[in-house]
Amino acid sequence: EIVLTQSPATLSLSPGERGTLSCRASQSVGSHLAWYQQKRGQAPRLLIYGAFNRATGTPARFSGSGSGTDFTLTISSVEPGDIAVYYCLQRSSWPLTFGGGTKVEVK
Amino acid sequence: QVQFQESGPGLVKPSGTLSLTCVVSGDSISIDTWWHWVRQTPGKGLESIGEISQSGATSFNPSLDGRLTITLDKSKNQFTLRLTSVTAADSAVYYCARRAASRGYVFDYWGQGTAVTVSS
Repeated sequence: EIVLTQSPATLSLSPGERGTLSCRASQSVGSHLAWYQQKRGQAPRLLIYGAFNRATGTPARFSGSGSGTDFTLTISSVEPGDIAVYYCLQRSSWPLTFGGGTKVEVK
Repeated sequence: QVQFQESGPGLVKPSGTLSLTCVVSGDSISIDTWWHWVRQTPGKGLESIGEISQSGATSFNPSLDGRLTITLDKSKNQFTLRLTSVTAADSAVYYCARRAASRGYVFDYWGQGTAVTVSS
């Protein structure tokens, strides 16, 4: 099973600041990585798939990059509505696995 | 817009069987889509537990040790999870979700989740 390790566990940002979230895989997943946003009491929402493709409705301030074992989700200018936990998902091999999440706080 | 309606008991006794149904609207169960169950706990986080394709082919997370069955009813546009010999470790919020080729084979639509507690 591929293990995804996310860092940091918590990211505290002021509005307008740039945020960088990391997801590292225990073995290569190619570009088969997605990012999700989960707000309190809601189901996860797809933000990025295929490492860098924005899903329908994903604001342009969210961008994904990376390949192989190291991936990054960047929020170029964080907004109060971005308060959530962000998860990465690999679909390169079965079982599909999620990272442990990064909690984004907005000061 | 794809939507899901999950249903099932919120409480299941230890060693019993958990059954959850997910009714799909806004999309038909068709090729290039897989219908999946994900669960979430505070301790283990998000866990993919299994899926079924439109042809009825299934894939399960090995961690479930053969306790899981997923069936499909195309006439009702729904799929059903059945998990046997449940323990407290199976207490979780269970989500149904769609995995589609058009979105890189990842989960693009999710149900609202249904909380299940295993307790006597």
